[in-house]
Amino acid sequence: QSVLTQPPSVSAAPGQKVTISCSGSSSNIGNNYVSWYQQLAGTAPKLLIYDNNKRPSGSPDRFSGSKSGTSGTLAITGLQTGDEADYYCGTWDSSLSAVVFGGGTKLTVL
Amino acid sequence: QLQLQESGPGLVKPSETLSLTCTVSSGAISNSSYFWGWIRQPPGKGLEWIASVDYTGDTYYNPSLKSRVTISVDTSKNQFSLKLSSVTAADTAVYYCARPEREFRHDAFDIWGQGTMVSVSS
Repeated sequence: QSVLTQPPSVSAAPGQKVTISCSGSSSNIGNNYVSWYQQLAGTAPKLLIYDNNKRPSGSPDRFSGSKSGTSGTLAITGLQTGDEADYYCGTWDSSLSAVVFGGGTKLTVL
Repeated sequence: QLQLQESGPGLVKPSETLSLTCTVSSGAISNSSYFWGWIRQPPGKGLEWIASVDYTGDTYYNPSLKSRVTISVDTSKNQFSLKLSSVTAADTAVYYCARPEREFRHDAFDIWGQGTMVSVSS
């Protein structure tokens, strides 16, 4: 059981937009920054978004993040087949004094 | 470009201690105040943060694993290490070492090793 809650799967057609939610609490998302990772099959996770909505250099602007209260959201526009991957949210939990992750969301581009 | 590389046995027997090392290249651990971390991923499952350490040796542990985990740093070798004791099949996972995107931060890992698969089996 993950501290952060994500939908197990989402799907959309190429070119469309999809959003992935990440629900937490006041001890984690509510008072700390949210990060998002993309994990392609058989590879290490890659940081897509940090500080709720900032993109590392090299992260395409089709990926964006937002946060409201105790939830974060990753949005992907102009979906491509290469975006098929598992996506994870993460943050610091001040009560646990631990890094916590969501259970992951599998994106299928139909 | 900073790189991380995990190393260690791929097979550990139940009840024994898993030991892994992460070697940092193209950058010195001691030159900055990053929290160097270990994260694992059981087959087909999600990510789990294990522990982090800074260059002074200050440590931070996942409460659920704290009783079995030791993380340490060796600045002379530019390495940090993980020991997980009393392993069971539930500890079978890909183990990653990683570094956050800025100093004094525990999360938002932007540099990862390739990962090393560790199986626990007799």
